[in-house]
Amino acid sequence: QKEVEQNSGPLSVPEGAIASLNCTYSDRVSQSFFWYRQYSGKSPELIMSIYSNGDKEDGRFTAQLNKASQYVSLLIRDSQPSDSATYLCAVIPYSGGGADGLTFGKGTHLIIQP
Amino acid sequence: DAGVIQSPRHEVTEMGQEVTLRCKPISGHNSLFWYRQTMMRGLELLIYFNNNVPIDDSGMPEDRFSAKMPNASFSTLKIQPSEPRDSAVYFCASTDSYEQYFGPGTRLTVT
Repeated sequence: QKEVEQNSGPLSVPEGAIASLNCTYSDRVSQSFFWYRQYSGKSPELIMSIYSNGDKEDGRFTAQLNKASQYVSLLIRDSQPSDSATYLCAVIPYSGGGADGLTFGKGTHLIIQP
Repeated sequence: DAGVIQSPRHEVTEMGQEVTLRCKPISGHNSLFWYRQTMMRGLELLIYFNNNVPIDDSGMPEDRFSAKMPNASFSTLKIQPSEPRDSAVYFCASTDSYEQYFGPGTRLTVT
């Protein structure tokens, strides 16, 4: 059973601070990793993808991947109240090429306090 | 560019009725996915298609659920007969690589 684990939160962070969201996965051969943001009542929105070990930065967002530790994280710098949402970690296991279904964690509820 | 389109956005039906959910993927995307989201179980993959061919339907809960993709621009997810435990938000997503883009979802309530 492939699993993706996240702390459900809520994680409360003051405005302007760095929010750190963590995710672990059980399938060691997983190759593709994603972070989605979901506002209440809305659909998941892709904000970051990462495929190799290390850091990947996009604006205020940084994704970090450590395959040896089976660990993915998302950092949000200069947090804004509009960042308040549920953040979903998703993983695609190795599939030999081509698209494959995502396995999602349950999500971390992030609250940015003004 | 139009994103993934789903209809209806909301569906309320009585137990035992047939329900059909519809999805139009982003033009040019060759893979389409159906997911279901509930509070208890989170987001779960039901079935996906590559080039209109079903690849993995192991997530379909039972024989009451069926999905088709007759062409590259249209897919349906059918539940017959529906049961109250099918109440959930059903999302369709599409991709032309690995990054999947989600539609707005259909909120299904079975009474």
